[in-house]
Amino acid sequence: GNSVTQMEGPVTLSEEAFLTINCTYTATGYPSLFWYVQYPGEGLQLLLKATKADDKGSNKGFEATYRKETTSFHLEKGSVQVSDSAVYFCALSPYGQNFVFGPGTRLSVLP
Amino acid sequence: DTAVSQTPKYLVTQMGNDKSIKCEQNLGHDTMYWYKQDSKKFLKIMFSYNNKELIINETVPNRFSPKSPDKAHLNLHINSLELGDSAVYFCASSQAPGGNTEAFFGQGTRLTVV
Repeated sequence: GNSVTQMEGPVTLSEEAFLTINCTYTATGYPSLFWYVQYPGEGLQLLLKATKADDKGSNKGFEATYRKETTSFHLEKGSVQVSDSAVYFCALSPYGQNFVFGPGTRLSVLP
Repeated sequence: DTAVSQTPKYLVTQMGNDKSIKCEQNLGHDTMYWYKQDSKKFLKIMFSYNNKELIINETVPNRFSPKSPDKAHLNLHINSLELGDSAVYFCASSQAPGGNTEAFFGQGTRLTVV
């Protein structure tokens, strides 16, 4: 079956620290991979995506690379800001099938 | 213009009542979804519709009934509400089921059953 595993949170960092949120997946076939972000009181928004192996998705200083050999899609940012505090979801989307979301990782960035 | 809009944003009701949550998308997408998010932020798919037809119905009590009058709308009706139904419910849409198309989410409906 299809599943997504994320590192457990919460993750608490100081402003300008380096961020990594690990994500690994199990899937049949070759899914697309996504990172979504949920700010307090809001719905999920797409942060970035990658549709095939070795693709790198990037947006707002965040990056993630589709690693087929390690079935991973880790999220990174070089210097986090207080405004990055949110819950981050890794997700996969096999063709013709439903989106599968990870459990979410809460990030708190302190000034 | 809001791409995926759901109403109401907040819903407080008593156990045993029947309530509906409405969802509309103006993106021209063929696929719509309902997700339930619990207090730990875990997202669980409930239903998925493609071109007004049900394609996914996860293990959800039959007190929950989705209705899709057209491709742009997917409403959720809940009968005999229970305390455990308290959660945030998200509607979403995508161009197709799965693949490289992203899902767009509504703002959520926070349902509180007292």
